[in-house]
Amino acid sequence: DTAVSQTPKYLVTQMGNDKSIKCEQNLGHDTMYWYKQDSKKFLKIMFSYNNKELIINETVPNRFSPKSPDKAHLNLHINSLELGDSAVYFCASSIRNEQFFGPGTRLTVL
Amino acid sequence: GESVGLHLPTLSVQEGDNSIINCAYSNSASDYFIWYKQESGKGPQFIIDIRSNMDKRQGQRVTVLLNKTVKHLSLQIAATQPGDSAVYFCAETLNDYKLSFGAGTTVTVRA
Repeated sequence: DTAVSQTPKYLVTQMGNDKSIKCEQNLGHDTMYWYKQDSKKFLKIMFSYNNKELIINETVPNRFSPKSPDKAHLNLHINSLELGDSAVYFCASSIRNEQFFGPGTRLTVL
Repeated sequence: GESVGLHLPTLSVQEGDNSIINCAYSNSASDYFIWYKQESGKGPQFIIDIRSNMDKRQGQRVTVLLNKTVKHLSLQIAATQPGDSAVYFCAETLNDYKLSFGAGTTVTVRA
């Protein structure tokens, strides 16, 4: 019984392409997040949605666009991929304080 | 720089010994702190949390200490086991939603 799931787990693509990462949580949480973890393991929040409404939008290029079709899903679409976008992207969900993270999607841009 | 950081990037500990992982934060307004554990190839996993109105909280084999005077947070792991090998992050927040993570400490347990 997966709590927070992400697809795909690995994504290898060329510069300039457009790609999407999907996230689903079956915990009934109201809030979902996207984080980026760089090669030095540093984790930084990108976006947060609460009941499908955007509540946190950090300084992220507008090539990144989150979409929340319902409370259980928060997808991340990335346009015109660049080399610097290579990282591990984590989805998370929370109710009140504790955030539950997905397994991550390793994105490699060639 | 970030408001949350760790003193040491790596920690090597003998199996069975106690581990202490330290974290310094600079934002005195933060009111909630969390420790996460990230194993290789997995997402961060919640370990223990503490509110700013407390200075100590205990869980199963783990204890978090908060010293607001010097803005210091620590995680103590008792009787460290091989399964404790991971990267440990401290995180802080003002509003329960936006977590700011430190750089992480990689703990390696020696058999």
